Formats: sequence, C-alpha cells, structure tokens
Amino acid sequence: AQTVTQSQPEMSVQEAETVTLSCTYDTSESDYYLFWYKQPPSRQMILVIRQEAYKQQNATENRFSVNFQKAAKSFSLKISDSQLGDAAMYFCAYRGSSNTGKLIFGQGTTLQVKP
Amino acid sequence: NAGVTQTPKFQVLKTGQSMTLQCAQDMNHEYMSWYRQDPGMGLRLIHYSVGAGITDQGEVPNGYNVSRSTTEDFPLRLLSAAPSQTSVYFCASSYDDVSYEQYFGPGTRLTVT
Repeated sequence: AQTVTQSQPEMSVQEAETVTLSCTYDTSESDYYLFWYKQPPSRQMILVIRQEAYKQQNATENRFSVNFQKAAKSFSLKISDSQLGDAAMYFCAYRGSSNTGKLIFGQGTTLQVKP
Repeated sequence: NAGVTQTPKFQVLKTGQSMTLQCAQDMNHEYMSWYRQDPGMGLRLIHYSVGAGITDQGEVPNGYNVSRSTTEDFPLRLLSAAPSQTSVYFCASSYDDVSYEQYFGPGTRLTVT
C-alpha cells in the first residue's frame, strides 16, 4: 500500500525568507501524481502545486517550487520570499493510477511565518 | 462557478441520530469523494464515486452511506452517529480519477455528543 510521510510537524520561517517542507512517499507504481495542498485557518483545502511522476522537470508556481526525486521517492516544497499569508497547514498527497482516484495524504506540516 | 459546495458548515448531533451531509459541484466532474480529517492526521477517504450510479468504499467507510443519482450531487449519510465520527468532513471532485487534482469543498465540522 502507498504511504506518504511528512516528518516535520511544525516549521517556521521569517517573512521574505525561503523554507522547504519535506515529504517522502512509498509506492511500487511507476505512474502517479503528487500534490501539495495548503489549508489555512479557514479550513479550505487549496491546491498549491502538482507534479506528474513521468516528468523529470520540477514543477513551479510563482513562489512555490518542488524538488522531485523519483528514485529517492522524495517530494519537497520550497516557498520563496515567504509571506504572512503563507502561514497554514501544508499537506503532501499522492494519487496513483491503481488507486481509483484516492488521494493519500501525509500528516501535514504547520508553517508559521514570522514578521 | 460555485465549485464544490457543502452544507451545513457546522452540525452537532446526539449519539444515535442520523443526518445527511450535502455536497454539490457545478464543474461537471465525474469523480467525487468524501474525506474526513481528524487532528494530527491527514485526510482519509470514506467513499468515492466515479460517475452517476457508481459508488465504492474508501479507507474508512463504516457508519456511512453514499449515493450518486446525478453527476452534480454526492450526499453522505451518517446512519447512527457515534462520538468517533466527530470530525471535519470534506467533499471533493475532479475531472477524472487519476491525473487531475481534486477540488475541495469548504468542509463540515461535525460534533457528536
């Protein structure tokens, strides 16, 4: 069975600085998708970034980028120029071709942004 | 586009009561799902549907029923509420069941006393 692990329950970063959130996963599939979701205090789940496993190039979305290491099964999220609005819980999630659509989530990392 | 909508936002039930959490989407998505979120844990899949008339169980289906009579709606029924069902419930939808990201509703916070 696939698993997703986020080993950092909490992280903090100074405003305008860069922070990296870690995520590892375990799977025997070759075709899958990885996601980072942000959950602010409003509780809404917001997609931050998406990575297809067949693509070697790391995905980027403005200040958000990933470091996808397929062989190591690692999928970290880098937030550059951190802003106060980035403070939230961040979830790493896996979706595979054999899972009939199920998203498998990590436990989450709470990010604090200090002014 | 309203996206994915859920009602109610908050609900308090007594043990043994039943209720239905409503979920609707206006994006013509085939795939819909229900998750629950408990403290210190990521979201866990309760039930899912790959299209109207087709549903299946997820990781934690006990105590819940679903049906999918239309593409737009995917209600979740709690048959006899238990304190262990106290949680935040999210409905999500996506274009398909593999490659596309899921869009989430705002969640329902349910407390069972």
